[in-house]
Amino acid sequence: DTEVTQTPKHLVMGMTNKKSLKCEQHMGHRAMYWYKQKAKKPPELMFVYSYEKLSINESVPSRFSPECPNSSLLNLHLHALQPEDSALYLCASSPGQVSGNTIYFGEGSWLTVV
Amino acid sequence: AQKITQTQPGMFVQEKEAVTLDCTYDTSDPSYGLFWYKQPSSGEMIFLIYQGSYDQQNATEGRYSLNFQKARKSANLVISASQLGDSAMYFCAMREAVTGGFKTIFGAGTRLFVKA
Repeated sequence: DTEVTQTPKHLVMGMTNKKSLKCEQHMGHRAMYWYKQKAKKPPELMFVYSYEKLSINESVPSRFSPECPNSSLLNLHLHALQPEDSALYLCASSPGQVSGNTIYFGEGSWLTVV
Repeated sequence: AQKITQTQPGMFVQEKEAVTLDCTYDTSDPSYGLFWYKQPSSGEMIFLIYQGSYDQQNATEGRYSLNFQKARKSANLVISASQLGDSAMYFCAMREAVTGGFKTIFGAGTRLFVKA
């Protein structure tokens, strides 16, 4: 079983809605990530938090807003999304940023924008 | 340029047989890590195996082994004694020290079908 927990598993939202995806890990990892994955494609990095500070934003539109309240939690706030934002959103964590550190993923949140 | 190349979009294997999934990579960084992940249709990305660029021996984890040929820049995944539950998408990935290790680069993936 994964030690990275994501909620909700499935989310359907309208283009005017505001919703949030939540992620939690209790492995003591200091780096947390959000990835977006479209069907039949590899995951694409969106954001990286290191020691609760945003380290990387891969030019993600502002309608996606990440938040790291503490070292165990990572949120992704969603507002005014477009249908093309429908995808699997994967949260992940790693002990740190060393190239040998394995990234562990959650089960993902399937997002549908209608 | 593609940093991770998986040339097999789909592979079929008979149950109980071994299968090799190909992965080649491109980097000038002497320090990097190579990873394989399995993604069933449920969506979860499951970590399978890791190989460090300085590791002398090929990594093994149960039925999974990584055939690491550094000079050829290849990191093929070998699954022995395939099971029906091995049917999934498999991604090869790399992290380079030069990028600070935060960015994991994924290949396009290989869909594995295990036949009964």
